Amino acid sequence: SFDLTQPASVSVSPGQTATITCSGSNLGNQFTCWYQQRPGQSPVVVIYQDTKRPSGIPERFSGSISGNTATLTIYDTQAMDEADYYCQSWDTSTVVFGGGTKLTVL
Amino acid sequence: QVQLQESGPGLVRPSETLSLTCTVSGDPISNHYWSWIRQSPGKGLEWIGYVYYTGATNYNPSLKTRVTVSMDTSKNQFSLALNSVIAADAGTYFCARAKRGYTYLFESWGQGTLVTVAS
Repeated sequence: SFDLTQPASVSVSPGQTATITCSGSNLGNQFTCWYQQRPGQSPVVVIYQDTKRPSGIPERFSGSISGNTATLTIYDTQAMDEADYYCQSWDTSTVVFGGGTKLTVL
Repeated sequence: QVQLQESGPGLVRPSETLSLTCTVSGDPISNHYWSWIRQSPGKGLEWIGYVYYTGATNYNPSLKTRVTVSMDTSKNQFSLALNSVIAADAGTYFCARAKRGYTYLFESWGQGTLVTVAS
């Protein structure tokens, strides 16, 4: 198995750009996806297959990957974007989630 | 629009078996991978295992010796059994459906059910 490492917290001002990274040795071999989890709610996919955005997810959400690091970028961050964000990937035997990043919109 | 709903006891005694069921509505249970995922209080997500409509399964290696995920297509349900539970097994348990064509992209989730482990 492998680990996915995320910063515990990220803070951003409304209208600014938030960047959340996810590092792991297996990234680049398998796709990464990102989930948003608001308090008391179930996770929602905001990015899959490294860069793709599901229908209904605002264009402000963008994913990228470089080497072993995946990045979730939220442009023009809104108050409604305040949530926990988890990256997720897999290897031949299991699924791995990152530890989660709490995004605070100040 | 598919809907998933977890059900089962909210309290399990240590060393006993945690049993949960996920009832799927709005879509047949076929042609998808169906997973259980849990979240410890205030912590992150942990994938437990999946069942495919063919009956194939795969489990998190860290839980493999204690987990069984099964499916009842006649009821459009799938289930989780986790035996020999300990305090660390407490948390919110989610059932989830993977996006068609994917094994591990969890596009639809239940609301989650809270499980407490205590005597």
